[in-house]
Amino acid sequence: KNEVEQSPQNLTAQEGEFITINCSYSVGISALHWLQQHPGGGIVSLFMLSSGKKKHGRLIATINIQEKHSSLHITASHPRDSAVYICAGSTGNQFYFGTGTSLTVIP
Amino acid sequence: EAQVTQNPRYLITVTGKKLTVTCSQNMNHEYMSWYRQDPGLGLRQIYYSMNVEVTDKGDVPEGYKVSRKEKRNFPLILESPSPNQTSLYFCASSYRAGSNQPQHFGDGTRLSIL
Repeated sequence: KNEVEQSPQNLTAQEGEFITINCSYSVGISALHWLQQHPGGGIVSLFMLSSGKKKHGRLIATINIQEKHSSLHITASHPRDSAVYICAGSTGNQFYFGTGTSLTVIP
Repeated sequence: EAQVTQNPRYLITVTGKKLTVTCSQNMNHEYMSWYRQDPGLGLRQIYYSMNVEVTDKGDVPEGYKVSRKEKRNFPLILESPSPNQTSLYFCASSYRAGSNQPQHFGDGTRLSIL
Protein backbone atom coordinates (compact mmCIF):
# COMPACT_ATOMS: atom_id res chain seq x y z
CA LYS A 1 0.00 0.00 0.00
CA ASN A 2 1.35 3.45 -0.88
CA GLU A 3 -0.54 6.05 1.04
CA VAL A 4 1.99 8.69 -0.02
CA GLU A 5 3.56 8.92 -3.47
CA GLN A 6 6.36 11.24 -4.50
CA SER A 7 7.71 12.28 -7.87
CA PRO A 8 10.20 12.33 -9.33
CA GLN A 9 12.28 9.62 -7.62
CA ASN A 10 15.51 11.19 -8.84
CA LEU A 11 16.24 14.71 -9.98
CA THR A 12 19.40 16.34 -11.30
CA ALA A 13 19.52 20.11 -11.71
CA GLN A 14 22.02 22.78 -12.60
CA GLU A 15 22.89 25.29 -9.93
CA GLY A 16 20.42 28.17 -10.00
CA GLU A 17 17.49 26.20 -11.41
CA PHE A 18 14.00 26.25 -9.91
CA ILE A 19 13.10 22.81 -8.55
CA THR A 20 9.72 21.24 -7.82
CA ILE A 21 9.09 17.98 -5.99
CA ASN A 22 5.55 16.64 -5.88
CA CYS A 23 3.69 14.60 -3.29
CA SER A 24 0.26 13.00 -3.52
CA TYR A 25 -1.54 11.20 -0.73
CA SER A 26 -4.53 8.91 -0.69
CA VAL A 27 -5.48 8.92 2.99
CA GLY A 28 -7.06 11.57 5.13
CA ILE A 29 -4.30 13.41 6.94
CA SER A 30 -4.17 16.17 9.49
CA ALA A 31 -0.76 17.47 8.45
CA LEU A 32 1.78 17.10 5.66
CA HIS A 33 5.49 17.13 6.47
CA TRP A 34 8.54 17.73 4.29
CA LEU A 35 11.80 16.27 5.54
CA GLN A 36 15.38 16.55 4.28
CA GLN A 37 17.89 13.72 4.59
CA HIS A 38 21.52 14.50 3.86
CA PRO A 39 24.06 11.95 2.60
CA GLY A 40 25.27 11.47 6.17
CA GLY A 41 21.82 10.08 6.95
CA GLY A 42 20.46 12.63 9.41
CA ILE A 43 16.86 13.78 8.93
CA VAL A 44 15.65 17.32 9.45
CA SER A 45 12.08 18.54 9.43
CA LEU A 46 11.68 21.37 6.88
CA PHE A 47 7.97 22.10 6.93
CA MET A 48 4.74 20.99 8.50
CA LEU A 49 1.57 22.30 6.92
CA SER A 50 -2.12 21.59 6.96
CA SER A 51 -3.22 24.28 4.51
CA GLY A 52 -1.92 26.95 2.18
CA LYS A 53 1.73 27.75 1.79
CA LYS A 54 4.86 28.17 3.90
CA LYS A 55 8.20 29.73 3.00
CA HIS A 56 11.60 29.43 4.61
CA GLY A 57 14.48 31.07 2.80
CA ARG A 58 14.64 29.59 -0.70
CA LEU A 59 12.22 26.77 0.15
CA ILE A 60 8.48 26.98 -0.38
CA ALA A 61 5.92 24.30 0.47
CA THR A 62 2.32 24.31 -0.68
CA ILE A 63 -0.61 22.02 -0.09
CA ASN A 64 -3.96 21.59 -1.85
CA ILE A 65 -6.27 19.74 0.51
CA GLN A 66 -9.00 19.12 -2.06
CA GLU A 67 -6.58 17.57 -4.55
CA LYS A 68 -4.56 15.79 -1.83
CA HIS A 69 -1.37 17.17 -3.26
CA SER A 70 1.65 19.04 -1.96
CA SER A 71 4.69 20.52 -3.64
CA LEU A 72 8.12 21.53 -2.39
CA HIS A 73 9.84 24.23 -4.41
CA ILE A 74 13.48 25.26 -4.21
CA THR A 75 14.38 28.56 -5.81
CA ALA A 76 17.93 29.36 -7.01
CA SER A 77 19.12 25.83 -6.23
CA HIS A 78 22.61 25.29 -4.84
CA PRO A 79 24.83 22.19 -4.56
CA ARG A 80 24.28 22.20 -0.79
CA ASP A 81 20.58 21.49 -1.50
CA SER A 82 21.64 18.02 -2.71
CA ALA A 83 19.81 15.60 -0.44
CA VAL A 84 16.84 13.25 -0.30
CA TYR A 85 13.54 15.04 0.27
CA ILE A 86 10.82 13.04 1.95
CA CYS A 87 7.12 13.79 2.12
CA ALA A 88 5.06 12.39 5.00
CA GLY A 89 1.40 12.51 5.89
CA SER A 90 0.32 12.26 9.49
CA THR A 91 -3.02 11.32 10.96
CA GLY A 92 -3.61 10.77 14.64
CA ASN A 93 -0.28 9.56 15.92
CA GLN A 94 0.81 7.68 12.83
CA PHE A 95 3.01 8.73 9.96
CA TYR A 96 3.07 7.57 6.34
CA PHE A 97 6.13 8.37 4.29
CA GLY A 98 6.88 8.68 0.61
CA THR A 99 9.97 6.89 -0.65
CA GLY A 100 11.83 10.14 -1.17
CA THR A 101 13.19 12.22 -4.02
CA SER A 102 16.95 12.19 -4.46
CA LEU A 103 18.08 15.64 -5.61
CA THR A 104 21.53 16.38 -7.02
CA VAL A 105 22.42 19.97 -7.84
CA ILE A 106 25.43 20.30 -10.12
CA PRO A 107 27.65 23.40 -9.91
CA GLU B 1 21.50 21.70 22.93
CA ALA B 2 18.11 20.19 22.06
CA GLN B 3 18.62 16.77 20.63
CA VAL B 4 17.54 13.18 20.20
CA THR B 5 20.37 10.76 20.94
CA GLN B 6 20.48 7.21 19.68
CA ASN B 7 22.99 4.53 20.61
CA PRO B 8 24.71 2.71 19.15
CA ARG B 9 25.18 4.40 15.76
CA TYR B 10 26.36 1.17 14.17
CA LEU B 11 25.95 -2.45 15.24
CA ILE B 12 26.77 -5.75 13.59
CA THR B 13 25.43 -8.77 15.42
CA VAL B 14 24.18 -12.30 14.87
CA THR B 15 20.74 -13.85 14.57
CA GLY B 16 19.02 -14.46 17.88
CA LYS B 17 21.23 -12.32 20.10
CA LYS B 18 19.00 -9.87 21.97
CA LEU B 19 19.84 -6.23 21.48
CA THR B 20 18.56 -2.83 22.57
CA VAL B 21 18.87 0.47 20.74
CA THR B 22 18.51 3.36 23.12
CA CYS B 23 16.85 6.68 22.37
CA SER B 24 16.87 9.70 24.63
CA GLN B 25 15.55 13.23 24.17
CA ASN B 26 16.25 16.31 26.30
CA MET B 27 13.32 18.46 25.14
CA ASN B 28 10.63 17.14 27.51
CA HIS B 29 8.70 15.85 24.50
CA GLU B 30 5.63 13.72 25.07
CA TYR B 31 5.59 11.93 21.71
CA MET B 32 8.33 9.55 20.60
CA SER B 33 8.50 7.15 17.70
CA TRP B 34 10.71 4.54 16.05
CA TYR B 35 11.12 4.11 12.29
CA ARG B 36 13.06 1.84 10.03
CA GLN B 37 14.31 2.93 6.63
CA ASP B 38 14.88 0.45 3.81
CA PRO B 39 15.83 1.10 0.17
CA GLY B 40 12.78 1.40 -2.04
CA LEU B 41 10.41 1.30 0.93
CA GLY B 42 11.26 4.54 2.64
CA LEU B 43 10.60 5.16 6.31
CA ARG B 44 8.08 2.98 8.10
CA GLN B 45 6.79 3.44 11.61
CA ILE B 46 7.51 0.60 14.06
CA TYR B 47 6.11 1.82 17.39
CA TYR B 48 5.17 5.12 18.91
CA SER B 49 4.52 6.47 22.39
CA MET B 50 2.19 9.29 23.30
CA ASN B 51 3.50 9.61 26.85
CA VAL B 52 4.98 7.62 29.72
CA GLU B 53 3.58 4.07 29.81
CA VAL B 54 1.52 4.69 26.63
CA THR B 55 2.76 2.90 23.51
CA ASP B 56 1.14 1.61 20.35
CA LYS B 57 2.03 -0.29 17.20
CA GLY B 58 2.89 1.39 13.94
CA ASP B 59 2.95 -0.24 10.53
CA VAL B 60 5.71 -2.81 11.10
CA PRO B 61 5.85 -3.81 14.80
CA GLU B 62 6.57 -7.54 14.35
CA GLY B 63 9.81 -8.62 16.01
CA TYR B 64 10.19 -5.44 18.05
CA LYS B 65 9.34 -4.31 21.57
CA VAL B 66 9.44 -0.88 23.17
CA SER B 67 8.99 0.60 26.61
CA ARG B 68 8.41 4.10 27.93
CA LYS B 69 9.14 4.09 31.64
CA GLU B 70 10.50 7.64 31.65
CA LYS B 71 9.54 10.58 29.49
CA ARG B 72 13.02 11.08 28.03
CA ASN B 73 13.80 7.45 27.06
CA PHE B 74 12.23 5.18 24.48
CA PRO B 75 14.36 2.07 23.86
CA LEU B 76 13.78 -0.29 20.94
CA ILE B 77 14.28 -3.96 21.82
CA LEU B 78 14.91 -6.81 19.40
CA GLU B 79 14.42 -9.96 21.47
CA SER B 80 15.55 -12.38 18.77
CA PRO B 81 16.93 -10.41 15.82
CA SER B 82 16.74 -11.86 12.34
CA PRO B 83 18.46 -10.83 9.08
CA ASN B 84 15.27 -9.15 7.79
CA GLN B 85 15.65 -6.61 10.59
CA THR B 86 18.87 -5.34 9.02
CA SER B 87 18.02 -1.72 8.41
CA LEU B 88 18.63 1.91 9.29
CA TYR B 89 16.65 2.90 12.36
CA PHE B 90 15.57 6.36 13.45
CA CYS B 91 14.09 7.58 16.70
CA ALA B 92 12.12 10.83 16.67
CA SER B 93 10.26 12.99 19.16
CA SER B 94 7.85 15.88 19.11
CA TYR B 95 6.43 18.20 21.74
CA ARG B 96 2.99 16.75 22.22
CA ALA B 97 1.08 13.60 21.41
CA GLY B 98 -0.68 13.99 18.12
CA SER B 99 0.87 14.41 14.77
CA ASN B 100 0.60 18.12 14.10
CA GLN B 101 4.02 18.88 15.46
CA PRO B 102 7.38 18.85 13.66
CA GLN B 103 9.52 15.89 14.64
CA HIS B 104 13.12 15.94 15.81
CA PHE B 105 15.10 12.97 14.58
CA GLY B 106 18.09 11.16 15.99
CA ASP B 107 21.14 10.54 13.79
CA GLY B 108 20.14 6.96 13.06
CA THR B 109 21.38 3.48 13.97
CA ARG B 110 22.64 1.23 11.21
CA LEU B 111 21.92 -2.33 12.27
CA SER B 112 23.26 -5.45 10.50
CA ILE B 113 22.01 -8.87 11.56
CA LEU B 114 24.10 -11.75 10.21
